[in-house]
Amino acid sequence: DAGVTQSPTHLIKTRGQHVTLRCSPISGHKSVSWYQQVLGQGPQFIFQYYEKEERGRGNFPDRFSARQFPNYSSELNVNALLLGDSALYLCASSFSTGGLEQETQYFGPGTRLLVL
Amino acid sequence: AQKITQTQPGMFVQEKEAVTLDCTYDTSDQSYGLFWYKQPSSGEMIFLIYQGSYDEQNATEGRYSLNFQKARKSANLVISASQLGDSAMYFCAMRDAYSSASKIIFGSGTRLSIRP
Repeated sequence: DAGVTQSPTHLIKTRGQHVTLRCSPISGHKSVSWYQQVLGQGPQFIFQYYEKEERGRGNFPDRFSARQFPNYSSELNVNALLLGDSALYLCASSFSTGGLEQETQYFGPGTRLLVL
Repeated sequence: AQKITQTQPGMFVQEKEAVTLDCTYDTSDQSYGLFWYKQPSSGEMIFLIYQGSYDEQNATEGRYSLNFQKARKSANLVISASQLGDSAMYFCAMRDAYSSASKIIFGSGTRLSIRP
């Protein structure tokens, strides 16, 4: 079975530009979460979507937005890029939002974003 | 607020030896879940093991076991018979049962290096 897929794998942008990252969850999973991992740190929660609705948002500015499509895939958008947005962006999918064990999140390979 | 602490930034272990990675957590919730993830240099976060706060037995998955001591709020990962492929970053993480979002809080990670 295919795992979580993300595209692109690598991306180089300049300050002020906009970027869109894409994620396809594991088949049957309806929840998608986004995390930012800055070099040397653990991942930080950005968003979670379930059944196309936002279920949670981390402490990130409004420049970060996301959406989920009817096929449960998701996009993360970042506007007005800053140098500090350079990071590995991880997408994770889970079956649902109910019950802790069912909440086990499975991560994709990530998108490495470099902002120059 | 929830917090995960991993006090070992890096560890070196001889191949075939057992290794324990430390993790302590802080939460006021009664119901929560604890996770361990492995992150190779490729970047993908690989789910290893899950422990629920109400589980009376320590979780085990193949060579991985979780030494759960609820009163001490610790959830150490034990890897038996370490292999060269175990060299990676390891993250301890948790989430509570009451949040509508699948927000997972990660520790800062431990870099494990296996010596041949």
